[in-house]
Amino acid sequence: DIVMTQSPDSLAVSLGERATINCKSSQSLLYSSNNQNYLAWYQQKPGQPPKLLFTWASSRKSGVPDRFGGSGSGTDFTLTISSLQAEDVAVYYCQQYYNNPLTFGGGTKVEIK
Amino acid sequence: EVQLVQSGAEVKKPGESLKISCQGSGYTFTNFWIGWVRQTPGKGLEWMGIGYPGDSNTRYNPSFQGQVTISADKSVSTAYLQWSSLKASDTAMYYCARLVYSGSSRRSNDAFDIWGQGTMVTVSS
Repeated sequence: DIVMTQSPDSLAVSLGERATINCKSSQSLLYSSNNQNYLAWYQQKPGQPPKLLFTWASSRKSGVPDRFGGSGSGTDFTLTISSLQAEDVAVYYCQQYYNNPLTFGGGTKVEIK
Repeated sequence: EVQLVQSGAEVKKPGESLKISCQGSGYTFTNFWIGWVRQTPGKGLEWMGIGYPGDSNTRYNPSFQGQVTISADKSVSTAYLQWSSLKASDTAMYYCARLVYSGSSRRSNDAFDIWGQGTMVTVSS
């Protein structure tokens, strides 16, 4: 199984400041035939199911604010919130879909400092 | 509106059987894989398996193979997750989720774009 490791486990950021979440996979998620990284990011708020933010590591889903950015390739990926808003308080997960079984990172809890 | 609506919370005893459901609406149910994801405080999000209602194809996470059964009834646009003998360790929130990839069962690895609201299963004597 591909192991997904997120860091940090939690972070507290002031409103308007940048939040950076890292995700590392135990093997490359870059598929050579289409040059795509099989990596998704989700946001989960308390009492809600996860919400898909990005596919292909950096393809923002419709309706996701552009203060959210996804980047990285191969085994190292980053989710960035450029200017943290109160409504961004949540747990964020990465997920690989390079192969089955699909696996998720352990999550990063983002709070307001 | 595209949505998945799951059945309500369950409280069961060890050894009992259970079948929870996930009804899709607002889209062509048979064209999309429906996956099941377990969430616990200790192990986070775990992909259990996935089923394609169009042809009843299924894939299981080896960690859950033989422990659960995934199925679907196209006539009522509903996917199911069932246990024949619950354990206390099955206590968790269970989500169904729709795979982004659609149109055939040729590929089952993708992200999940639509999620059900979750079904809490509690197993306790």
